[in-house]
Amino acid sequence: GENVEQHPSTLSVQEGDSAVIKCTYSDSASNYFPWYKQELGKGPQLIIDIRSNVGEKKDQRIAVTLNKTAKHFSLHITETQPEDSAVYFCAARRTGYSTLTFGKGTMLLVSP
Amino acid sequence: SAVISQKPSRDICQRGTSLTIQCQVDSQVTMMFWYRQQPGQSLTLIATANQGSEATYESGFVIDKFPISRPNLTFSTLTVSNMSPEDSSIYLCSVTDPRTSTDTQYFGPGTRLTVL
Repeated sequence: GENVEQHPSTLSVQEGDSAVIKCTYSDSASNYFPWYKQELGKGPQLIIDIRSNVGEKKDQRIAVTLNKTAKHFSLHITETQPEDSAVYFCAARRTGYSTLTFGKGTMLLVSP
Repeated sequence: SAVISQKPSRDICQRGTSLTIQCQVDSQVTMMFWYRQQPGQSLTLIATANQGSEATYESGFVIDKFPISRPNLTFSTLTVSNMSPEDSSIYLCSVTDPRTSTDTQYFGPGTRLTVL
């Protein structure tokens, strides 16, 4: 089955810096890659997603890049703010399957 | 996007008892999923619940322990049976919303369960 590795497990940055979280996947048939943000005491919130026919997608301060050949995708957050502090999860879904496989999560801490 | 609510939001239960968690969606959805998130861990799929058919359970999860109902396209329940402290987790309901995309998956706020 699919296996998703996520790094780093924790990331501390200063407000205004950029943050990058990286994920690799094992199944070349995977074609959908969402990112979720989970704040303390809340359910995961979808923040951005990308499909395998696109190399990059951007939404304001957040961007996701996908390298199908290398089977990795990354989340980029620019101009970080304290409210970006949360746990971020990447996930992958294989073509023809309905379920997502999640990475282990990255705890992002943005210090003022 | 689909708006998902769960009840209860949290509970503290005694071992050996059972708890039923409800998931309500503001629109009709085909696919509903139940996840478990153990403290400090990632999300693990328990089962997929489709209306009109038996739930499909992932490896390591069985119907006797986690019975699921899906009586219609907007509602599902997950029961955690004969609980032990190891069942202490966040239980999350999730759906795909056909109004937006069959790929996009949304999560409810979760039910925080503590078993003593």
